[in-house]
Amino acid sequence: EDKVVQSPLSLVVHEGDTVTLNCSYEVTNFRSLLWYKQEKKAPTFLFMLTSSGIEKKSGRLSSILDKKELFSILNITATQTGDSAIYLCAVEGGATNKLIFGTGTLLAVQP
Amino acid sequence: NAGVTQTPKFQVLKTGQSMTLQCAQDMNHEYMSWYRQDPGMGLRLIHYSVGAGITDQGEVPNGYNVSRSTTEDFPLRLLSAAPSQTSVYFCASSYRMRQGSSYEQYFGPGTRLTVT
Repeated sequence: EDKVVQSPLSLVVHEGDTVTLNCSYEVTNFRSLLWYKQEKKAPTFLFMLTSSGIEKKSGRLSSILDKKELFSILNITATQTGDSAIYLCAVEGGATNKLIFGTGTLLAVQP
Repeated sequence: NAGVTQTPKFQVLKTGQSMTLQCAQDMNHEYMSWYRQDPGMGLRLIHYSVGAGITDQGEVPNGYNVSRSTTEDFPLRLLSAAPSQTSVYFCASSYRMRQGSSYEQYFGPGTRLTVT
């Protein structure tokens, strides 16, 4: 069965800390891995990763994919309270090439 | 562009009632999908459509129907609401490119449904 597992489930840090969120997957017919940030409403897109070892970066956020070990990490440096959200990992693949979501990591950044 | 819009934002139903959640997008996306989000369960795919006139089941389709008569609209129908369908429902859309290409999904703001 295809699955996407995120860890930790939740995390509390202080402003300025660096955090690493993990996403591992077992998905047949892998096409891409996507990271989303979900605050109060709809998930918003962060990154799409398709190739191993190539870091995607946007401001204080960065992500990388390892297709051999079947995982991705999302790094956030110098965290701010506005980074508090649920971070979702999704993998496109499986028998019908749909997005398979993990349960998310709830990040709380305290002042 | 309005992006992906959903109505209503909130809805309370009684067990056995039926209703339709509306979803529309103005980006000419071929692919549209419905997810439900429950605590500790992540987003789970209910139904999806790869184009007008074509729909298919996702991971948790039971109790829901969809249709796709136009590119823009993808309504989700609850046939006979049950308390287990209490959830937040998200509609999403994306371009569907050729085989082998990936895509980014755009999500609507969600509908919070409570079934009593």
